[in-house]
Amino acid sequence: KAGVTQTPRYLIKTRGQQVTLSCSPISGHRSVSWYQQTPGQGLQFLFEYFSETQRNKGNFPGRFSGRQFSNSRSEMNVSTLELGDSALYLCASSFTGTSRLSYEQYFGPGTRLTVT
Amino acid sequence: DQQVKQNSPSLSVQEGRISILNCDYTNSMFDYFLWYKKYPAEGPTFLISISSIKDKNEDGRFTVFLNKSAKHLSLHIVPSQPGDSAVYFCAASLLRGTASKLTFGTGTRLQVTL
Repeated sequence: KAGVTQTPRYLIKTRGQQVTLSCSPISGHRSVSWYQQTPGQGLQFLFEYFSETQRNKGNFPGRFSGRQFSNSRSEMNVSTLELGDSALYLCASSFTGTSRLSYEQYFGPGTRLTVT
Repeated sequence: DQQVKQNSPSLSVQEGRISILNCDYTNSMFDYFLWYKKYPAEGPTFLISISSIKDKNEDGRFTVFLNKSAKHLSLHIVPSQPGDSAVYFCAASLLRGTASKLTFGTGTRLQVTL
């Protein structure tokens, strides 16, 4: 079974621009979560999508948004980029249900965004 | 407010010895805990997990211990191998319906030396 894929793997943007990152979950996984990783901050939760609806949101400004398509693929958008948005953006997918499998999230390799 | 804390940013252990990574949490509502391993330029890889109704879970060389009264969990790796050198994140989760959100610690970098 193929893992979580993220595109692009690397991206360089300038301040003020916007960016869109893409994530394809593991087949059969309907929940997709996004995380930001910066040095010293660990992984911080951005939001989670399930059935094309955002059902969990972290403490990030409205410049960060996302969406999910009917095939469970998800995109994340950051508008008006700031230098502090430079980070590794990770997407994770999980099986949904009420078993313990719902807790286990499987991560993609991430997109390294550099804002100059 | 950092609800999940890993107070040791780094740990160095000799090959063959035991590695113990620690994690503390503040939210007593967390009902599931996970450990992830991360190599540079890769996403975190799920390692092992434990439900809040248990105090120990073992998988090969990896054992996770949970002390709910102390709000503390630890990951033991025995014996440690050079390939275990990576950053280890603990994560805690609340399952509400079918929605789960992971709260991560800041990670501990483990270096296993020869």
